[in-house]
Amino acid sequence: DGGITQSPKYLFRKEGQNVTLSCEQNLNHDAMYWYRQDPGQGLRLIYYSQIVNDFQKGDIAEGYSVSREKKESFPLTVTSAQKNPTAFYLCASSQQGLYGYTFGSGTRLTVV
Amino acid sequence: KNQVEQSPQSLIILEGKNCTLQCNYTVSPFSNLRWYKQDTGRGPVSLTIMTFSENTKSNGRYTATLDADTKQSSLHITASQLSDSASYICVVSQTGTASKLTFGTGTRLQVTL
Repeated sequence: DGGITQSPKYLFRKEGQNVTLSCEQNLNHDAMYWYRQDPGQGLRLIYYSQIVNDFQKGDIAEGYSVSREKKESFPLTVTSAQKNPTAFYLCASSQQGLYGYTFGSGTRLTVV
Repeated sequence: KNQVEQSPQSLIILEGKNCTLQCNYTVSPFSNLRWYKQDTGRGPVSLTIMTFSENTKSNGRYTATLDADTKQSSLHITASQLSDSASYICVVSQTGTASKLTFGTGTRLQVTL
């Protein structure tokens, strides 16, 4: 089955630590995205990548970093500079030119 | 400013009843409008996608309508089931870039016995 796999499902971070969220897709999609979802708010774009080795900041990129070394993979690192990282993180992918998005099942990050 | 507003914020209905969720948007230039269903703790799943020229689209018991003139959309759920309990998110896309989606905050639907 084609799809997007996010791992882990739950992640706990101590203050001051960096953590990396994994996102892998086997849909052969060109574009990949990271969103943050907070209660009562719409999804907000963190970073996106439309081709390998290239990515752009979204609306709330501060405190986050990404890489796109392979078409299938788009990991997100939440750095210690992100002051309020507790949230639900969603990865998505789409084929350039199409208007359909496919979302992963999400990673819930909690700072302890 | 591009915005997507959904109403109601939450809704409780009895199993078997119908309901309609609303979405108003100010996104421009408009490309397409999508409705997603999101179960708690899961990623959103696409229900319908409509372009400017489409004014209705169905997916089983879900029927979406679009009025591009008034910038309004609705999602009608027929004969609701317990499994319809979820958040329903309206998402509007702008032309020109695949990255520019504006998300509504969702309507939380609870279907009860």
